[in-house]
Amino acid sequence: DAGVTQSPTHLIKTRGQQVTLRCSPISGHKSVSWYQQVLGQGPQFIFQYYEKEERGRGNFPDRFSARQFPNYSSELNVNALLLGDSALYLCASSFAIQNSPLHFGNGTRLTVT
Amino acid sequence: AQTVTQSQPEMSVQEAETVTLSCTYDTSESDYYLFWYKQPPSRQMILVIRQEAYKQQNATENRFSVNFQKAAKSFSLKISDSQLGDAAMYFCAYRSSGAGGTSYGKLTFGQGTILTVHP
Repeated sequence: DAGVTQSPTHLIKTRGQQVTLRCSPISGHKSVSWYQQVLGQGPQFIFQYYEKEERGRGNFPDRFSARQFPNYSSELNVNALLLGDSALYLCASSFAIQNSPLHFGNGTRLTVT
Repeated sequence: AQTVTQSQPEMSVQEAETVTLSCTYDTSESDYYLFWYKQPPSRQMILVIRQEAYKQQNATENRFSVNFQKAAKSFSLKISDSQLGDAAMYFCAYRSSGAGGTSYGKLTFGQGTILTVHP
């Protein structure tokens, strides 16, 4: 079975632009979470979606938004990019919202110039 | 809010030797999960070991074991017979069990420890 897949692998954007990152969960997994990992730090929780509904949100500005589609794939959108948004964005999927192991993708490396 | 602290930014070990990575956490909850994740240069976060707080017995997965001290809020990872492939960034992470009403499975990560394995 395929693992969690994220696209694109790398992305370079300019300040003020908007970006969309995509994630396909493991087949059968209904929950998708997004994390931001700044270089040299641990990942920070951004969102969790379960059955197409937002079930949790971390301490991130409204410039960050996400959605989950009927096939359980997910998109993370970031508007008005800042230099500080440069990071590795990790997607993780799990079968249930709680008490299920999280499976991570390889991430999308976003560079904002 | 829960916090996770890893006080060792870097550790090194000789191949075949044993190394222990430290982690402390802060929470007011009584039921939760603790994890160690490994992140190699490939960037993928790989689960190494998991501990349920209600279990007194320390978790073990092959060469990896933990020392879970609930009262001290300490959760260290011991890697025995270290191998070159163990070299990576290691993260300690906390997740609520949801018993306190938390409705999602948010992971709270520490800052990470870079492990170098010398041949």
